[in-house]
Amino acid sequence: QSVLTQPPSVSGAPGQRVTISCTGSSSNIGAGYDVHWYQQVPGTAPKLLMYNNANRPSGVPDRFSGSKSGTSASLTITGLQAEDEATYYCQAYDSYLSGLFGGGTKLTVL
Amino acid sequence: QVQLQESGPRLVKPSETLSLTCTVSGGSITSYFWTWIRQPPGKGLEWIGYDYYSGSTNYNPSLKSRVTISVDTSKNQFSLKLSSVTAADTAVYYCARRVSWSGYYDSWGHGTLVTVTS
Repeated sequence: QSVLTQPPSVSGAPGQRVTISCTGSSSNIGAGYDVHWYQQVPGTAPKLLMYNNANRPSGVPDRFSGSKSGTSASLTITGLQAEDEATYYCQAYDSYLSGLFGGGTKLTVL
Repeated sequence: QVQLQESGPRLVKPSETLSLTCTVSGGSITSYFWTWIRQPPGKGLEWIGYDYYSGSTNYNPSLKSRVTISVDTSKNQFSLKLSSVTAADTAVYYCARRVSWSGYYDSWGHGTLVTVTS
């Protein structure tokens, strides 16, 4: 079964650094496909936050960074701010399910 | 900047067909992979499928028997039809633009909540 596994929740105090992981398999991340990240504030549509593993769209602060290695990827937020409180989803192409999303990670800013 | 807007009935009866339209403005619908994604209340994102503007489609295997997505280039719109709906199909439905067959979604509609209820 095609799955991208994320921790259900993470938290951090303002100014701290948090990392959200996304673990896949040989049919998706491990096959070399790029990982993308979305930020969803409650009541709004997801917003593209990071594409092709480590690229930020215009307007996304450089506090956000991404990386990928093997069958996993991660999103790191440094200098945490209250406005970063949201749910974050990873996404990658999968050989069996083209539009595969992770289950989402809710970030709480303490 | 391209904008997407979903439209269609917000209430659908069980066993009937859910029909939504996404209107694309500020850009052409030719090229790109036009996608529907849904999110049940309180849950994560589920990919439904896409139609490339030339008519090539790809659907979530779990929904494939009930789904049709089609692009109308003359109207700059694409649509979703999901047949034989049940309460499990209640969700916010998003239309989105995917930049390539394996790529990311760079533009999203605001989403529309469709409730399946008798």
